Amino acid sequence: DAGVTQSPTHLIKTRGQHVTLRCSPISGHKSVSWYQQVLGQGPQFIFQYYEKEERGRGNFPDRFSARQFPNYSSELNVNALLLGDSALYLCASSGGDPEYNEQFFGPGTRLTVL
Amino acid sequence: EDQVTQSPEALRLQEGESSSLNCSYTVSGLRRLFWYRQDPGKGPEFLFTLYSAGEEKEKERLKATLTKKESFLHITAPKPEDSATYLCAVQGYGQNFVFGPGTRLSVLP
Repeated sequence: DAGVTQSPTHLIKTRGQHVTLRCSPISGHKSVSWYQQVLGQGPQFIFQYYEKEERGRGNFPDRFSARQFPNYSSELNVNALLLGDSALYLCASSGGDPEYNEQFFGPGTRLTVL
Repeated sequence: EDQVTQSPEALRLQEGESSSLNCSYTVSGLRRLFWYRQDPGKGPEFLFTLYSAGEEKEKERLKATLTKKESFLHITAPKPEDSATYLCAVQGYGQNFVFGPGTRLSVLP
């Protein structure tokens, strides 16, 4: 079975641009969470969706937004990119309610902002 | 605010030299504690979930234990392929995951 998939693998953008990152959860999983991992640090929570509804939002500016589609895939959008947005963006999926189930991570999207 | 610290920041071991990694946490009410392994440039790989003080979980050369304030990941007779960053995360009731900064483990042949 395929695990969590993310696209693209790598992305280079310039300051002020907009970016869309995509995630497909493990088949049958209905929850997706997004994390930002800066080099040398642990992942930091951005958003969580369960059954297409937002379940949680981390301490990130409004430039960050996300949504979950009817097929449970998800997009993370970042507007007006800053140099500090350069990071590995991770998507994780849970089989059921993420309050009670483990999260399994995808390989991430490496975003570089120049 | 929930917080997780991990020590040491980095650890170098000789193959076969057992050791432990520490995860200390502050959370208003712990629902679960997790251990993940992360290889460079890849996503974290799930290892263990611990729910209450006194609980232990084992997988191959790894054993995770939990007390009321910290968790340990014991590595017995490590091999070079155990080299990775080990991440600890906590989840409080009604809260999302909070990760620690990780411990970078290098096992030399």
